[in-house]
Amino acid sequence: SQQGEEDPQALSIQEGENATMNCSYKTSINNLQWYRQNSGRGLVHLILIRSNEREKHSGRLRVTLDTSKKSSSLLITASRAADTASYFCATDDRGNQFYFGTGTSLTVIP
Amino acid sequence: EPEVTQTPSHQVTQMGQEVILRCVPISNHLYFYWYRQILGQKVEFLVSFYNNEISEKSEIFDDQFSVERPDGSNFTLKIRSTKLEDSAMYFCATALQGDYEQYFGPGTRLTVT
Repeated sequence: SQQGEEDPQALSIQEGENATMNCSYKTSINNLQWYRQNSGRGLVHLILIRSNEREKHSGRLRVTLDTSKKSSSLLITASRAADTASYFCATDDRGNQFYFGTGTSLTVIP
Repeated sequence: EPEVTQTPSHQVTQMGQEVILRCVPISNHLYFYWYRQILGQKVEFLVSFYNNEISEKSEIFDDQFSVERPDGSNFTLKIRSTKLEDSAMYFCATALQGDYEQYFGPGTRLTVT
């Protein structure tokens, strides 16, 4: 089945450092989305990248997509303590069914 | 900024009871989704809904589940005869179009006792 899988599962960095998270998936997609979830809260949409795009920026976020490797990365530059959260990638399977990965738990130490 | 809202925020019910979870989508959005997240686990797709009918559903979305948009605004998830394992956070999400960003509501925490 289509499934996004993030790595690492957990990441701990100092404030100001960059954080990179990766996502791999299995089948063809229309788009890939990254979300953030603070503990016990809802999901916040960060960025969507379409299958014909290779890179996208939004503020301190940079997302890349390599469809040949079926992988994506999320880079958060100049991290802040408030970036502490779990980060998920979500992919579609060219239908209307969406799959979330298990997430990367990011801790930014002030 | 428009947002998806969900009610109730927390629902406690006894096993075997029926529950209805409600979602108010962003007004011009056409695609609606329900997801669940069991504590400590990943978010799981349940169902997508467009043009007043189900577009896709996962294996989790069995006969005990149903969705509808009864009044053109609220989008509801009904769980008949709840089971202990239905305890989870249930998230509604909506999108302008099927391959656009999905915006999530804050979730309803369902506890089945």
